[in-house]
Amino acid sequence: GNSVTQMEGPVTLSEEAFLTINCTYTATGYPSLFWYVQYPGEGLQLLLKATKADDKGSNKGFEATYRKETTSFHLEKGSVQVSDSAVYFCALIPWGAQKLVFGQGTRLTINP
Amino acid sequence: NAGVTQTPKFQVLKTGQSMTLQCAQDMNHEYMSWYRQDPGMGLRLIHYSVGAGITDQGEVPNGYNVSRSTTEDFPLRLLSAAPSQTSVYFCASSRRDTPYEQYFGPGTRLTVT
Repeated sequence: GNSVTQMEGPVTLSEEAFLTINCTYTATGYPSLFWYVQYPGEGLQLLLKATKADDKGSNKGFEATYRKETTSFHLEKGSVQVSDSAVYFCALIPWGAQKLVFGQGTRLTINP
Repeated sequence: NAGVTQTPKFQVLKTGQSMTLQCAQDMNHEYMSWYRQDPGMGLRLIHYSVGAGITDQGEVPNGYNVSRSTTEDFPLRLLSAAPSQTSVYFCASSRRDTPYEQYFGPGTRLTVT
């Protein structure tokens, strides 16, 4: 089946630290991969995407590279800010499908 | 544009009661979905719709009904509430050609006692 596994949270960092949130997936065929972000009290928003192997998605200083050989899509940011505090969800859509499959989410807290 | 709106924001029900969670979008999106969000479990798809008059089951449909009589509205009905349905419910919509780019509403926090 199709599934997404994220690193356990919560993650707490200081401002300007380097961030990595791990995400691995299991899917048939060639899925498209996504990171969504949920700020406190809000719904999810699409943060970035990658649709094929070796693609790098980027937005707001965040990056993630689609690694087919390791079935991974780790989220990185070089210098986090307090405003990045949120819950981050890795997700996939299997090739030819229309429904997103979400990971369990990772809560990130950035301290000033 | 209001985007995706949901009402109510909070609701407390007693076991066995029924209610409808409302969802509306003003972006003329074909796809609409309902998810529930539980701690440590991410989002799970309850029901979805690819257009007016068409609905289908997601991962956890039991205990819920949906209908889609218009493009704009996609209400979720709880038939007989159970404590296991205590959760945060999100409605989302997207265009047919970009089903992954879902626009989420602000959520409804439901408690069943």
